[in-house]
Amino acid sequence: QQQVRQSPQSLTVWEGETAILNCSYEDSTFNYFPWYQQFPGEGPALLISISSVSDKKEDGRFTIFFNKREKKLSLHITDSQPGDSATYFCAANAQGLTFGLGTRVSVFP
Amino acid sequence: GPKVLQIPSHQIIDMGQMVTLNCDPVSNHLYFYWYKQILGQQMEFLVNFYNGKVMEKSKLFKDQFSVERPDGSYFTLKIQPTALEDSAVYFCASSSGLNTEVFFGKGTRLTVV
Repeated sequence: QQQVRQSPQSLTVWEGETAILNCSYEDSTFNYFPWYQQFPGEGPALLISISSVSDKKEDGRFTIFFNKREKKLSLHITDSQPGDSATYFCAANAQGLTFGLGTRVSVFP
Repeated sequence: GPKVLQIPSHQIIDMGQMVTLNCDPVSNHLYFYWYKQILGQQMEFLVNFYNGKVMEKSKLFKDQFSVERPDGSYFTLKIQPTALEDSAVYFCASSSGLNTEVFFGKGTRLTVV
């Protein structure tokens, strides 16, 4: 059973639009949620993270919204740029890190 | 920023042979991990390692897999014997503590033929 779920599987937006990536989890003991960005041929790199004591974390154009009661979080990428085209993984602190299946984001100019 | 180095970047090996994947983690990190990724899909946890010991391992970490970090040198993943389904990209990662940033290498693409 997938402990961390992501949707959609893929997402296409135009440059300048906001991309919204969703994530949900099963285990209420999870308390740290990093988002990783991965480009083809590269390893994942930490983009932004949030702990369960916060409901929002912002870093430039990237914002995480966290709803602990519903065990859901989302990553918003505002003013999307073609360079944001990548796969984004939501993860939770279990067994090191447990990753979701990822959302492949394509930003077209 | 801190870098995790993985050697080699690509390895092709005959089924049944042994392979060792090498990882040079970030120098002051204490926790080490291996992940498996097939076809750019999900990153699947294999094992984490701390203070010379395996802390946790997943069901993907078969008996044919082993890890070690002798004398603080490379952190290695050994597969003996290899099987066709072991073909994947293996990522090494390290962190200074639990719930701290985990840094990943660029991966070793293993092809078992």
